[in-house]
Amino acid sequence: ETGVTQTPRHLVMGMTNKKSLKCEQHLGHNAMYWYKQSAKKPLELMFVYSLEERVENNSVPSRFSPECPNSSHLFLHLHTLQPEDSALYLCASSQYLSGASGETQYFGPGTRLLVL
Amino acid sequence: SQKIEQNSEALNIQEGKTATLTCNYTNYSPAYLQWYRQDPGRGPVFLLLIRENEKEKRKERLKVTFDTTLKQSLFHITASQPADSATYLCARASGTYKYIFGTGTRLKVLA
Repeated sequence: ETGVTQTPRHLVMGMTNKKSLKCEQHLGHNAMYWYKQSAKKPLELMFVYSLEERVENNSVPSRFSPECPNSSHLFLHLHTLQPEDSALYLCASSQYLSGASGETQYFGPGTRLLVL
Repeated sequence: SQKIEQNSEALNIQEGKTATLTCNYTNYSPAYLQWYRQDPGRGPVFLLLIRENEKEKRKERLKVTFDTTLKQSLFHITASQPADSATYLCARASGTYKYIFGTGTRLKVLA
């Protein structure tokens, strides 16, 4: 399909839990992104990585902690989340950093997260 | 601040008709706009990119226009089919590596 996979697809966690979301891209891209998508809201960019270096932290609370061990893998570590953090979390990749160059972003299927 | 506005009301049209979706942006014109399709429970899939100096772009049954005077892009699907039912997102660049997305417009093509 898109060449970007995400696990798990669904996650239910309590506010005191610690969990991690995983993203893997098989496209040989250099840039990876985390987005949050809440109902009736636009996609919200959270983090941007280029060649494993974080280039953007879009004012995201510290209870979300990204990790990019190599250009193919991206993680989002979650701890002490709030119910309002319940959303669809999407990972995306592009050949190079998007924005000015018009690079196409390839999205994974997302992780549906529910925080109780 | 830069914004992308899409009609959040669902659009229902009859099969075979042309669907037209609107994307309005604020502030200065972006160098390009992108359109994505998103199905329920899935991530967005890229459809088309149109640059500021292009008035119109086509791909099979899809057509996108870019009007910098109106600060608007229109997305058309001709001869629409039930399989075209999905949410369509418009996005613009913001800075070097950010995209700003609209909330999307849900299209339903009735058989």
